[in-house]
Amino acid sequence: GAGVSQSPSNKVTEKGKDVELRCDPISGHTALYWYRQSLGQGLEFLIYFQGNSAPDKSGLPSDRFSAERTGGSVSTLTIQRTQQEDSAVYLCASSSRGGEGETQYFGPGTRLLVL
Amino acid sequence: AQSVTQLGSHVSVSEGALVLLRCNYSSSVPPYLFWYVQYPNQGLQLLLKYTTGATLVKGINGFEAEFKKSETSFHLTKPSAHMSDAAEYFCAVSAMNRDDKIIFGKGTRLHILP
Repeated sequence: GAGVSQSPSNKVTEKGKDVELRCDPISGHTALYWYRQSLGQGLEFLIYFQGNSAPDKSGLPSDRFSAERTGGSVSTLTIQRTQQEDSAVYLCASSSRGGEGETQYFGPGTRLLVL
Repeated sequence: AQSVTQLGSHVSVSEGALVLLRCNYSSSVPPYLFWYVQYPNQGLQLLLKYTTGATLVKGINGFEAEFKKSETSFHLTKPSAHMSDAAEYFCAVSAMNRDDKIIFGKGTRLHILP
């Protein structure tokens, strides 16, 4: 596609429910990233994919968070048993090869609100 | 390890005035440096980046930034602010010879006063 797309754009859920967030990267981009943006906290790195594998999962905040990428394209970020502190904007980005200094292209984000 | 500090979570300037957003970084290896802008309800968009070569980098919308190794700084400037510049600005660093995990600062929200 022309840019990175994410769905849903907004998600309201109840505490304890599971949610799935989807990211469609730019066609042909092999590197994909997930970030979490909380109010006043900047961007927090969650996970990085190169193709379908995730060489860096260091940012996932707990075992309730998981992510997968299939076919070297679409990625889903799953949050199980959501908590109120999970409320944030979840941003996805992709880059061509994941090389040094490459520009990351961001999607518009998914705004998650856990009640 | 890398880190980024943006001085001032909010900056206000008058329309037509100089914009200066401060960024200092820490990196044990030569850094790549970025400025991204986020308009309301949108994702981040690259303004400019420094990789190697010329230390004064020009970006979109009239912004520029200068890499100063001695000061470990990468401040963002624009000579004359426009109302459309109101947004949140993020400085970021990644390291050469490593995966390109980018470390972002906490952001500076720029307000433009009429």
